[in-house]
Parts: sequence; structure tokens; C-alpha cells
Amino acid sequence: GAGVSQSPSNKVTEKGKDVELRCDPISGHTALYWYRQSLGQGLEFLIYFQGNSAPDKSGLPSDRFSAERTGGSVSTLTIQRTQQEDSAVYLCASSPWASGGRNTGELFFGEGSRLTVL
Amino acid sequence: GDSVTQMEGPVTLSEEAFLTINCTYTATGYPSLFWYVQYPGEGLQLLLKATKADDKGSNKGFEATYRKETTSFHLEKGSVQVSDSAVYFCALILTGGGNKLTFGTGTQLKVEL
Repeated sequence: GAGVSQSPSNKVTEKGKDVELRCDPISGHTALYWYRQSLGQGLEFLIYFQGNSAPDKSGLPSDRFSAERTGGSVSTLTIQRTQQEDSAVYLCASSPWASGGRNTGELFFGEGSRLTVL
Repeated sequence: GDSVTQMEGPVTLSEEAFLTINCTYTATGYPSLFWYVQYPGEGLQLLLKATKADDKGSNKGFEATYRKETTSFHLEKGSVQVSDSAVYFCALILTGGGNKLTFGTGTQLKVEL
């Protein structure tokens, strides 16, 4: 497909378990972002990748959260020892890089992974 | 830090009514401004953007003008349709520094017949 693909679309887990969320960005998009959308909240920035490196991971809520990107493509967001407050929709977005090395701000979002921690 | 403030929803309008969703911003530098829309069951998608003061972004009958003097980027549409029912997010990114898109909390719009 041509769009950003996320999996799983829905994940229910028990408190204390680890989860992995996957994002397949649009081919050729250099930048990749993870956001979190909680009920009644806006979009909370988590981390962004430029290629395989993460220049800004300031939004990761705690050291239970980590993310990696390999081959400048697929990214995995891992949440260890999940807590009920981690329940949210996790959104991935990718973006091409404009000339001059700046992001244009035009992000292409996936449909998200809904995480429910019981 | 940089932030975006939107009017709280939900906003409920009758079809063909005029829409305004207010958005103001605070930025440490010179931002580009965006409106994103999230239709039910779909991912966010870019609706329109403006990259400098006095620019007007427009798409699908929606418009927003970048007002530097009032640090605002209000979304307007002259005649809404039921199909416009969605959540609308205002956002900014700093031009020339930083690559993080900062979003507002979103405003839910419901259009009824």
C-alpha cells in the first residue's frame, strides 16, 4: 500500500506485560514520528527519527518506553511493564524531507494502534 | 515552549451553517501553521497550511489566515456539510529549527441535518 501502515490495530494486554507496536512508513520518507492520543487529550509527541537516528526523544514518558528504526524504514515502539495509564492510541507518521534538510510539517499518519492495558 | 490552543468542543452545527474554529499559538521562533483533520475511523490528514504571515491556506472550502499580529490561525468554512463532521487539529512547526510538529488538543465538529 501507499500509506503508513501500523500494526496491530488493536492490542489488549495485562498490566505488567511488554508490548511492541510496529510502523511501516511511506517508502522514501526520511522522517518518522510517534505520537500518543489519549481520550480527551490532544496529540502528545513521543519521538521522531531522521533516518535511523532519533534527534528528539524528549516526549517519551518514562524509561519503560523505547523506539528504534532500522534500515531507514520500519520502526518499533516498545512499552515495557505496561501500566493502565499507557492505554491510548499510538500514532505513527512519516514525512519527506524538504531540500535544505528541513521538515515541511506535512505528516502522513497511519490509522494508529489502540492499546488497552487491563 | 511552543504551544497551540484551540477552542474546546464539541461544536454542533446545522448543515449550511458558518464554521469558525479558533486557534492561537505561542512560538519561540517563526512557525509554519497547519490544520489537520481526523474523520471517524481514519488517520489524521493535512487539511491546509500557511508558511508565513498573511498567507491564506485553503482546501475543500475551508480557509485559515496566518495572523502574526494576533498569533492566530482560525479555521473557517462558509457552509458546512454533514461530511465535515470530524476532529480538527491546529498545529505548528518552527521554520528553520526543530522538526517537531506541535498539535492543539483538537476540536470535534458535528454537523447535523
